[in-house]
Amino acid sequence: DVKVTQSSRYLVKRTGEKVFLECVQDMDHENMFWYRQDPGLGLRLIYFSYDVKMKEKGDIPEGYSVSREKKERFSLILESASTNQTSMYLCASSPPGLAGPMGRTQYFGPGTRLTVL
Amino acid sequence: AQTVTQSQPEMSVQEAETVTLSCTYDTSESDYYLFWYKQPPSRQMILVIRQEAYKQQNATENRFSVNFQKAAKSFSLKISDSQLGDAAMYFCAYCRPPFTLSNFGNEKLTFGTGTRLTIIP
Repeated sequence: DVKVTQSSRYLVKRTGEKVFLECVQDMDHENMFWYRQDPGLGLRLIYFSYDVKMKEKGDIPEGYSVSREKKERFSLILESASTNQTSMYLCASSPPGLAGPMGRTQYFGPGTRLTVL
Repeated sequence: AQTVTQSQPEMSVQEAETVTLSCTYDTSESDYYLFWYKQPPSRQMILVIRQEAYKQQNATENRFSVNFQKAAKSFSLKISDSQLGDAAMYFCAYCRPPFTLSNFGNEKLTFGTGTRLTIIP
């Protein structure tokens, strides 16, 4: 069965702290993604990775960085957390060819609700 | 840049009735893919249905079907015989097609802002 896991469901941090959000998938997928979800804004792409050690900025990368040292793990890093980074963070993975004839899709993790005080 | 608009922040429907969720999008591409995702309360987001723009036939998955109007750039989701388990946040999403054999850049989804669907028993 397809599995994307995130290290924490709920996380509370203080302003200025360095925060690590971990995501692990067990499907040997090439692509991994980090989104943040905010009411009224939907899901916005922060960063994505299409291979180990490869990363590309999404629509809202400011204040975030990522790391992908192993194929199954994709980490989101908040170098110095701020209150405007309080949000739900969703990780997803997909095989290549999302838009191909096989009809594959992105598989999502359960999300991490981060609160920055 | 592509945009996806869901103009209904909230919808409700009586159990066993039919409901339609609206989605419009803006793109200059002629070929692309559209999706509806479902996010139940406190549960993971899952794919409900997808539509390839080059296909004229509307996609159907059991009680879920779409009304794809390419010229109008409209992609609505119809849920028939609504069930309590259909209560969720629904997101419409757009994906551009692959340009080359390369995997890079093929997988980015653009999401709408979501519609919260409530089922009334």
